[in-house]
Amino acid sequence: EVQLLESGGDLVQPGGSLRLSCAASGFTFSDYVMNWVRQAPGKGPEWVSGITGSDFRTFYIDSVKGRFTISRDNSKNTVSLQMNSLRAEDTAVYYCAKGGRGTAMVFDYWGQGTLVTVS
Amino acid sequence: EIVLTQSPATLSLSPGDRATLSCRASQSVSSYLAWYQKKPGQAPRLLIYDASNRATGIPARFSGSGSGTDFTLTISSLEPGDFAVYYCQQRYIWPPLTFGQGTRLEIK
Repeated sequence: EVQLLESGGDLVQPGGSLRLSCAASGFTFSDYVMNWVRQAPGKGPEWVSGITGSDFRTFYIDSVKGRFTISRDNSKNTVSLQMNSLRAEDTAVYYCAKGGRGTAMVFDYWGQGTLVTVS
Repeated sequence: EIVLTQSPATLSLSPGDRATLSCRASQSVSSYLAWYQKKPGQAPRLLIYDASNRATGIPARFSGSGSGTDFTLTISSLEPGDFAVYYCQQRYIWPPLTFGQGTRLEIK
């Protein structure tokens, strides 16, 4: 059974930093692209960042480039999102989402989410 | 950036009814469109990928169609657990991957 468990969400002041982590199990982690998708209150989901499985190519939405860094540890089956220079508009529930093989960006499994509040 | 526009914003139907949800892309996304279901307090759930393929474990009452810029999610006979918010998402041209703003399916 695929499981994704996020952690690290918190209340942080504008300009602050936070590191989110996602522990994955139930699949061959290194074969799949992993993503962070966020959802602000009352809005639709917004893809934030992704990282490929074995060559660690990274992708970001423009609004977080230079502030957020995605990384993964295939030996520990974890993916992380380092968030710096946080803004009020970064407030959202952040979901870890499993993609497909290669860069197939269909999110077939999601974690339960972790809340980031910037205030 | 590809913008996805979903309609209607809210759809009020009864259990047993047929639901038809629309997603229109600002430019062609070929068949690279997915649909997700979101319930309060739960993670989103993949329903349909590549326009018409049901994800693992998704009941046959959910179906998807379309290509290019116009897509439809159909729920043939609504069950109580189907009342939720539905989002479409494209993966044809990215980054960024983009989602629609959602259609809320509510009980009439």
